[in-house]
Amino acid sequence: DTGVSQDPRHKITKRGQNVTFRCDPISEHNRLYWYRQTLGQGPEFLTYFQNEAQLEKSRLLSDRFSAERPKGSFSTLEIQRTEQGDSAMYLCASSLDGTGVETQYFGPGTRLLVL
Amino acid sequence: GQQVMQIPQYQHVQEGEDFTTYCNSSTTLSNIQWYKQRPGGHPVFLIQLVKSGEVKKQKRLTFQFGEAKKNSSLHITATQTTDVGTYFCAGGAGNNRKLIWGLGTSLAVNP
Repeated sequence: DTGVSQDPRHKITKRGQNVTFRCDPISEHNRLYWYRQTLGQGPEFLTYFQNEAQLEKSRLLSDRFSAERPKGSFSTLEIQRTEQGDSAMYLCASSLDGTGVETQYFGPGTRLLVL
Repeated sequence: GQQVMQIPQYQHVQEGEDFTTYCNSSTTLSNIQWYKQRPGGHPVFLIQLVKSGEVKKQKRLTFQFGEAKKNSSLHITATQTTDVGTYFCAGGAGNNRKLIWGLGTSLAVNP
């Protein structure tokens, strides 16, 4: 399967713990996005990368959240000192920029539950 | 800032009835894309529209992009239970081409 993959698929953690999620995009895609989605809501933009450069970060994102894409391929999203309000589905998407029109392909998501 | 509004938020239909969801942008879009998310799943790309007034069809689904490139619609003819899910529109605008997402329309179909 050459689609977007995410790991883990589910994560249960206690409040105050740190968690890290990984996303492997479609191999030739140069853009990578992180979204957060809660029940009944649409994807909420968190941040995106063009290759290894983080080009934009949502103002809604607190400093407890950090994302990296060190080699321009896979990306990690870390949440430090998790809070119950961080419980959500974290979606990763990738796309190929430069074609004039961008289509985002989503991974299956990581569902986080903070107890 | 740029916003994409989507209505209705929810729609409940009997199987066989038609369904339409509308998407409106506060600014002119370079393109509009539609995604479907099944319950428990992730958004899956359906289609993209680029040209003013463009209409595209996929079996029972008809997608339109407005003349001013600020609105779009998705129409499903004779809904089936397999159409259940949330339909999102996402518009491309600006030089960075980042998509601006609507909040989605959740469709429920009674068999």
